[in-house]
Order: sequence, then C-alpha cells, then structure tokens
Amino acid sequence: DAGVIQSPRHEVTEMGQEVTLRCKPISGHNSLFWYRQTMMRGLELLIYFNNNVPIDDSGMPEDRFSAKMPNASFSTLKIQPSEPRDSAVYFCASSPTGMYLRPGNTIYFGEGSWLTVV
Amino acid sequence: RKEVEQDPGPFNVPEGATVAFNCTYSNSASQSFFWYRQDCRKEPKLLMSVYSSGNEDGRFTAQLNRASQYISLLIRDSKLSDSATYLCVVSPNTGGFKTIFGAGTRLFVKA
Repeated sequence: DAGVIQSPRHEVTEMGQEVTLRCKPISGHNSLFWYRQTMMRGLELLIYFNNNVPIDDSGMPEDRFSAKMPNASFSTLKIQPSEPRDSAVYFCASSPTGMYLRPGNTIYFGEGSWLTVV
Repeated sequence: RKEVEQDPGPFNVPEGATVAFNCTYSNSASQSFFWYRQDCRKEPKLLMSVYSSGNEDGRFTAQLNRASQYISLLIRDSKLSDSATYLCVVSPNTGGFKTIFGAGTRLFVKA
C-alpha cells in the first residue's frame, strides 16, 4: 500500500518567494496533519484537517502560512512570502482516527519536504 | 512545564548494552501512548504502542505509569541499527487537547 506521499522532497528557494508543499494522504484516512520539524523546536503541529475541514490551525505560525485540503486525497501548505526562518522539514501525516490516536490506529508520516530558504 | 518531556541525550552505548528512556507527560487526560523511532533525515515511524500493563516486542519493552505520569522504553541487547531518535507520543481522550510528540531522545549504539 502506498504511504503518505509528499512533494517536493527538497526545495531551495530565495527569501520572498512563494513555496507550495503538496501531500497525498493514505487512502481511507480521514485526518491529515501538517507538521514542521526543526532542531530547536522539535516536531510542531501546524494544522489538522478532519474530513477535509480544518479543525485546528492554532499552530500555523503567521499569516504567511496557509493550508488547504480541496478533497480527501490532496492537501497543500503554502508559505508566501518565505523567510529564512521557515527553513525546516515539513511533514504531512495522516490517520484513520483523527487527532485522538489509539493502538492499532495511529499516525503515518510522509518522507517530508526539506525546505531551505536563503 | 512542557506537556511531554524527554531527556534529549544523546545516549552513547556499546553494542549489547541495555538502555532505558523515560518520558513524562503533564496532561492527566492522556489516554494513549506510543513510541516512535526517527532515523537521521527520515520521517518518524511507529515503534510500538504502550499498554497499561506494559508490553514487549522482541528486545523492546514499553511501560506506563499513570500515577507518576510517565512512560518508558527499554532496549535490551542494543544493535548498531538501533541508533536513532526515539520520540514519545501522548494522545488525549477528550477534545481541547492535542496529540503531542516529545522532542526525542537520541541514541547512538557503538561497535
């Protein structure tokens, strides 16, 4: 079975440019998460969708960040304009059980999008 | 106090050693607990769930202490391939709280 698929895997962009990260969750999973991971702050939840609806976006750093989930099989995370401090690994993850994980139904991560803003 | 706290390490141990990690959590509404493993430059992957009575999976043993609000992971007979970062994950059973990932404990197993 295909896992969570993210693209691009690596992106280097200049400050001020728009960055769009893409994600295809595991088929049948009703929940999708965007996480950001840095050495300093660890793994941070940015936004959580359930059945394509944003449920919790309190982790989105600021207005420069936006996320959409137009259908059950696709989501985007956009940063506009990008800044050097946005450099991080951005993980998309999906789960069949929403935010509340249970043994046997947990959260599955994509391979991540490695973003460098120079 | 952080919601989930882990000793960041690194733990440097020789092959064959036994090593244990602890993770404390602050939210008493927490219901489910997990250990994830993250290899260098890879995504986190589920290692094992943690059950109330404790559970084993080969060389790995996970335990939960609800009274003291911590979970532990014991690795016996460490292998070079066990070198990774181990993240504890705490998930609530009620709304208003999020699933939280710990910052991870780094383990290096040396030959």
